[in-house]
Amino acid sequence: AQTVTQSQPEMSVQEAETVTLSCTYDTSESDYYLFWYKQPPSRQMILVIRQEAYKQQNATENRFSVNFQKAAKSFSLKISDSQLGDAAMYFCAYRSPRGGSSGSARQLTFGSGTQLTVLP
Amino acid sequence: GAGVSQSPSNKVTEKGKDVELRCDPISGHTALYWYRQSLGQGLEFLIYFQGNSAPDKSGLPSDRFSAERTGGSVSTLTIQRTQQEDSAVYLCASSARGGNTEAFFGQGTRLTVV
Repeated sequence: AQTVTQSQPEMSVQEAETVTLSCTYDTSESDYYLFWYKQPPSRQMILVIRQEAYKQQNATENRFSVNFQKAAKSFSLKISDSQLGDAAMYFCAYRSPRGGSSGSARQLTFGSGTQLTVLP
Repeated sequence: GAGVSQSPSNKVTEKGKDVELRCDPISGHTALYWYRQSLGQGLEFLIYFQGNSAPDKSGLPSDRFSAERTGGSVSTLTIQRTQQEDSAVYLCASSARGGNTEAFFGQGTRLTVV
């Protein structure tokens, strides 16, 4: 089974500064998808960015970018020019492209999350 | 509706009672997921439905938990004989076909067992 690890339970960043959230995963598959989701206090999970493992180019979405290191099984999220509205819980997630080598369904597996505080 | 809808938003129940949580996914989405999120924790996978295939129930924590999806649309998560440790936020998500497609989440049901 795949596992996703976020080793930073909490992080803080000064407004307008840059912060990087770490995520590592364990899989025996060669093709898969990775996601970062944001969960503000409203509980609504929002997709921040996604990466397909077969693409070497790191995904970017405005102020959000990833550093995808496939060999190291690392998928970190960089937030540039941090804003107060970025304060939330951030979850890294893994998904197989199909049923997976173990036959399990294509579920989304989440890490334990990183609580990001943005300081004014 | 435009998004994933869950009801009720909050539910307080007495220990030992049964509860039903409802999820109305985005129209046309073939995949539906249920997750449980305990206070300050990550998302624990419960069950996954994909089209007409048999659901993946591997995450259900005990036989007190069950879920069904009628007509490939609305899903109901049922917890029988609730226990205090069942208290959590239950999140539902749906997505279209395709591994890289975004999963859209509802706002969850906060279940409190007293």
